[in-house]
Amino acid sequence: KAGVTQTPRYLIKTRGQQVTLSCSPISGHRSVSWYQQTPGQGLQFLFEYFSETQRNKGNFPGRFSGRQFSNSRSEMNVSTLELGDSALYLCATRDSMNTEAFFGQGTRLTVV
Amino acid sequence: GQQVMQIPQYQHVQEGEDFTTYCNSSTTLSNIQWYKQRPGGHPVFLIQLVKSGEVKKQKRLTFQFGEAKKNSSLHITATQTTDVGTYFCAESSNNDYKLSFGAGTTVTVRA
Repeated sequence: KAGVTQTPRYLIKTRGQQVTLSCSPISGHRSVSWYQQTPGQGLQFLFEYFSETQRNKGNFPGRFSGRQFSNSRSEMNVSTLELGDSALYLCATRDSMNTEAFFGQGTRLTVV
Repeated sequence: GQQVMQIPQYQHVQEGEDFTTYCNSSTTLSNIQWYKQRPGGHPVFLIQLVKSGEVKKQKRLTFQFGEAKKNSSLHITATQTTDVGTYFCAESSNNDYKLSFGAGTTVTVRA
């Protein structure tokens, strides 16, 4: 079956702009989590969605938001971009608790 | 902040040698998962440990879960250039889908 698909793969944005990233999970996976990965901070949890509901949220400012659609596809949005938002954004999907997470290839966001 | 601490942050290994990376927590872990991320790639699941004292092997990789479920280790024997990458441990909560990752151990191999 198809893996986790993230689009776009690369983005360059200017400070102050906003950006939307997309994640299509493996068929049947209803849980979608988002992570921010930077060299200095590792993999930081942003939020997790299950059946269109945000069930868990990490310690990120309100500029970071997300949503999930009825087909389990998820989007995350970052508004008023800052230079420090430059990172690899990864989504991961799971079919149930305590099972492996499948990661997408990520979206590399560069803020200039 | 992260609940699990990984050491060392970097590991430079001579090809053919063994090394170990450790994952420690101040609290009891529900279970532990290990992932590998190749340079330029995304994390890929390696294994999950659930039981106290559990040991699992995958070819040259040996994973252990401590008796108190507060630490875990990954031991690689006879390191090869294909072992290059960052190895992450992550706690998988029993209550939700959140994975809490350690900072990772980045491994480089000298041929």
